[in-house]
Amino acid sequence: AQSVTQPDARVTVSEGASLQLRCKYSYFGTPYLFWYVQYPRQGLQLLLKYYPGDPVVQGVNGFEAEFSKSNSSFHLRKASVHWSDWAVYFCAVSMDDNYAQGLTFGLGTRVSVFP
Amino acid sequence: ETAVFQTPNYHVTQVGNEVSFNCKQTLGHDTMYWYKQDSKKLLKIMFSYNNKQLIVNETVPRRFSPQSSDKAHLNLRIKSVEPEDSAVYLCASSWGGRGDTQYFGPGTRLLVL
Repeated sequence: AQSVTQPDARVTVSEGASLQLRCKYSYFGTPYLFWYVQYPRQGLQLLLKYYPGDPVVQGVNGFEAEFSKSNSSFHLRKASVHWSDWAVYFCAVSMDDNYAQGLTFGLGTRVSVFP
Repeated sequence: ETAVFQTPNYHVTQVGNEVSFNCKQTLGHDTMYWYKQDSKKLLKIMFSYNNKQLIVNETVPRRFSPQSSDKAHLNLRIKSVEPEDSAVYLCASSWGGRGDTQYFGPGTRLLVL
């Protein structure tokens, strides 16, 4: 069965510092991968998504992610965080054989930004 | 810009009551979903609905049922709520393709007393 692991439940970072959020997936076929962000009391918003192709994906608000098939990873990065990046970040994978079943999400990483 | 609308924002009820949550999308998408987000932020798919085809996550209790009047609406009914149903219910929509972006509503927070 497919799964997504986000090993860091919480990350604290200073404003202006770089950020990396880790995501590992377990999936037999070719993965379609997503990063979503959830701000307090809001729904999820897409940051970026990966289609098979270029391993580095650019997203919104300066976020990018890199896919690695050999490491089964899809880590998210930002060069310089802003206080508004305080949120929960979710990595997700789409099934291959029955994608209408929806996305499988990791447990999320809560990012706190301090001045 | 919100394109997936959910009502109510918040609902408090007692064990055994019936509740219904509404979801409407204005994106013209073919597929809609309901997810449950528990107190630890874990997100799990409950249902997806596309062209009158309903796909149910086998772990969803039978007291939950989706209801659709057209492709822009997918409501969620809970027949007799239990304490463990307290959660945030998120509605989403997409074109239904495997790599298509799912757009989420703001969620309905349910508290069962």
